[in-house]
Amino acid sequence: EPEVTQTPSHQVTQMGQEVILRCVPISNHLYFYWYRQILGQKVEFLVSFYNNEISEKSEIFDDQFSVERPDGSNFTLKIRSTKLEDSAMYFCAFIGGTGDGYTFGSGTRLTVV
Amino acid sequence: GENVEQHPSTLSVQEGDSAVIKCTYSDSASNYFPWYKQELGKRPQLIIDIRSNVGEKKDQRIAVTLNKTAKHFSLHITETQPEDSAVYFCAAVGRGGYNKLIFGAGTRLAVHP
Repeated sequence: EPEVTQTPSHQVTQMGQEVILRCVPISNHLYFYWYRQILGQKVEFLVSFYNNEISEKSEIFDDQFSVERPDGSNFTLKIRSTKLEDSAMYFCAFIGGTGDGYTFGSGTRLTVV
Repeated sequence: GENVEQHPSTLSVQEGDSAVIKCTYSDSASNYFPWYKQELGKRPQLIIDIRSNVGEKKDQRIAVTLNKTAKHFSLHITETQPEDSAVYFCAAVGRGGYNKLIFGAGTRLAVHP
């Protein structure tokens, strides 16, 4: 699998603060996703992004979340006002134009205190 | 709603033994079933996948079987080694047309020397 870098690798933030998680996809990726994984639990779908707009979102992805691909390269997840329960690993993921399976990013561990 | 059940939650085997992890899915429209291995603090890594037009797929010591009628799929690891110890997740593509993955709860596999 190709490496997909996420930044930061670990972020600690105060409750109520905004955080932006970033992902650098490989150029031929078409479909973009964010998933989260609370410690010790399964990976959960948050949102899918295709053709520069949200194509599907889960119940978890409420109004405090947003996604963008502002410059055609970085893919970002913003959490406007973090809560303690937002503490988790966040993974971006992609499907490429060749129809290959998912590639997951390296992950960002978000800790809200 | 969409759901993937995974069993067992933990599995302990002796080195050299086989390990089998089973999943069932709820959405009969699902057509892609990947398996991921996740080591502590790292991203899920694809180890094998199967599409609904195939009943079995093998890659060295790893095989996956799919029973579409029963909506079951299984991961088989033969000749287990200590480095196979990790959490394994099954997943299925959910409804919606944008290839989101619905994950099982995970199986923690421990291979004892």
